[in-house]
Amino acid sequence: SQTIHQWPATLVQPVGSPLSLECTVEGTSNPNLYWYRQAAGRGLQLLFYSVGIGQISSEVPQNLSASRPQDRQFILSSKKLLLSDSGFYLCAWTGTSVYNEQFFGPGTRLTVL
Amino acid sequence: GDSVTQMEGPVTLSEEAFLTINCTYTATGYPSLFWYVQYPGEGLQLLLKATKADDKGSNKGFEATYRKETTSFHLEKGSVQVSDSAVYFCALRAGANNLFFGTGTRLTVIP
Repeated sequence: SQTIHQWPATLVQPVGSPLSLECTVEGTSNPNLYWYRQAAGRGLQLLFYSVGIGQISSEVPQNLSASRPQDRQFILSSKKLLLSDSGFYLCAWTGTSVYNEQFFGPGTRLTVL
Repeated sequence: GDSVTQMEGPVTLSEEAFLTINCTYTATGYPSLFWYVQYPGEGLQLLLKATKADDKGSNKGFEATYRKETTSFHLEKGSVQVSDSAVYFCALRAGANNLFFGTGTRLTVIP
């Protein structure tokens, strides 16, 4: 069966510090991968998605970036965090069919102070 | 463009009450429709789905029917429990990377 991992689970970082969140998927190959952010009490905001190694699409211009160095690894980064980057970050994967649902990781709670 | 409009919350119900959370969509083509649930501090989990018109998805006592004529996918449960307290998201998939989520509806069930 497929599983999706995210780490760390929680993170507290000062403004201006760098960020690296990691997501890995097991039990599937060539998944579509996604990064979402969920601000407190808000819906999901799609940040990035990837259909293959090295292929990244950005949905919202901001100080975050994403990379996919391996088929089942997706990394979210920032060189300098802002207060507004605080939130709950969710990684997800899906197959390519329109009938496929998304599977979400457990999330990373990021607090920028 | 494709989109999902979901009933705004929060919704507060007493245990054993009937639940409806409205969801309507706009899409070209024939999307698949989903309901996800998010418990506090966790990621989203798929609750149910329907992939074509008139399909009914069901799970854990929850149901939703894909209504093409009204472009709706309302979530219902006949008798809610305290453990159903969570945030519910309606979602649509119209293509490989055309995935859209509603804003979420927070449900609180009180004993």
